[in-house]
Parts: sequence; structure tokens; C-alpha cells
Amino acid sequence: NAGVTQTPKFQVLKTGQSMTLQCAQDMNHNSMYWYRQDPGMGLRLIYYSASEGTTDKGEVPNGYNVSRLNKREFSLRLESAAPSQTSVYFCASRPRGEGGTDTQYFGPGTRLTVL
Amino acid sequence: RKEVEQDPGPFNVPEGATVAFNCTYSNSASQSFFWYRQDCRKEPKLLMSVYSSGNEDGRFTAQLNRASQYISLLIRDSKLSDSATYLCVVTGGSYIPTFGRGTSLIVHP
Repeated sequence: NAGVTQTPKFQVLKTGQSMTLQCAQDMNHNSMYWYRQDPGMGLRLIYYSASEGTTDKGEVPNGYNVSRLNKREFSLRLESAAPSQTSVYFCASRPRGEGGTDTQYFGPGTRLTVL
Repeated sequence: RKEVEQDPGPFNVPEGATVAFNCTYSNSASQSFFWYRQDCRKEPKLLMSVYSSGNEDGRFTAQLNRASQYISLLIRDSKLSDSATYLCVVTGGSYIPTFGRGTSLIVHP
């Protein structure tokens, strides 16, 4: 199993450009999550999906959209990138949907710089 | 007040030392508690879950104090390889996890 994979690993954008971050998991997990991590700020939840076909906003959703394409894939789109979106983005998955106490598995991250 | 608070450190300790971190949480209805480890520029990885009765995994011991709303992580006989950032994670009933900002540990020779 590859676990949780993310592409690309690195990306540099100009202000106003758009891009989609891809995330896939091969563990048949129900829940998937997108976080951003900034220095001194910890991990902040952008969006999550408790099951295929559902998505919900997290703590910092502004400027982002998501798609749960199928059970395996959960993408994050920046429609018009801004320098404030420079960050490290992590995707995570979890076996269960709503509720439960099992833990998350993280992808390796995408390092995004917006100039 | 932030929902999950940790001392950012860094905690700078010699090899072989015992070190303890605390994490406080504000939501008394929180249900699940975890410690994750994150190495520099890497993804977080689960270190251990924290149970009401406390739990131990080798040199690592985690405790939960619901009355005072904090969890702790004790590392005995510190190794150089323990140098990392330790993240406290607290979840509610719908499993929306809240991460602390992390505590940095540096173990030196």
C-alpha cells in the first residue's frame, strides 16, 4: 500500500493563478481531510469529507474549493492564488466516517509558494 | 483562548534525560486524544493514543486528566532520534480534530 499520496510535492504560483492539489489514498478509508500548516500556527483544517459525496468546511475554507471525486481521491483547488496561501498543505485520511476514535494518516505534503 | 494549547518550547535536553510535555484543551466534551510526532518538513505521524486509564509504549507514557482538561506525554531515556515536534490532538464527537501548535524537543549528546 502506498498509503496517502499527494501531488505535486512542490509548486510555485503567481498571484491570481489557479491550481489543484491532488490527494489519493489506497486504504479504503471513508474520511479525508485537507490541512494547511504555517510556521507557529499548527495544522488548520481547510475542508473535510466524511464520506464519498459529502464535503464540509473546516476552520479556514476561504479561497479554497474541494471535490471528493470518489472514495479514493480528494482534491483541493485554489481558484485565484494569493500570497497568504503560501503554506504546506497536508492531506489526511481516516478509516471511519462520522464519529469513531481511530486516527488519521497523513500524506507527505505539498509545499506551495505564491509570489 | 485557543482550543488546544501547548508550550512551543523548545525543550533542550541531554540524551538519557526524562522530559514531559503537557497539553490543555478547552472543550470539556472532547472525546479522543492523541499525540503525533512531526519531524522537520515531514508529515505528522501517530505516536500514541491517550486513554482514560493512561497508556505506555516503551519509553513513552501518555496520561489524560479529564478533570483538569489536560493530557501529558512523558519520554524516558531520551534518544537523539526523539528530536522532533510533538503535536497534541483533541477530537469531539463528530471527529473534527483540533491540533495544538506543537512542542519542539531537541535532544543533544
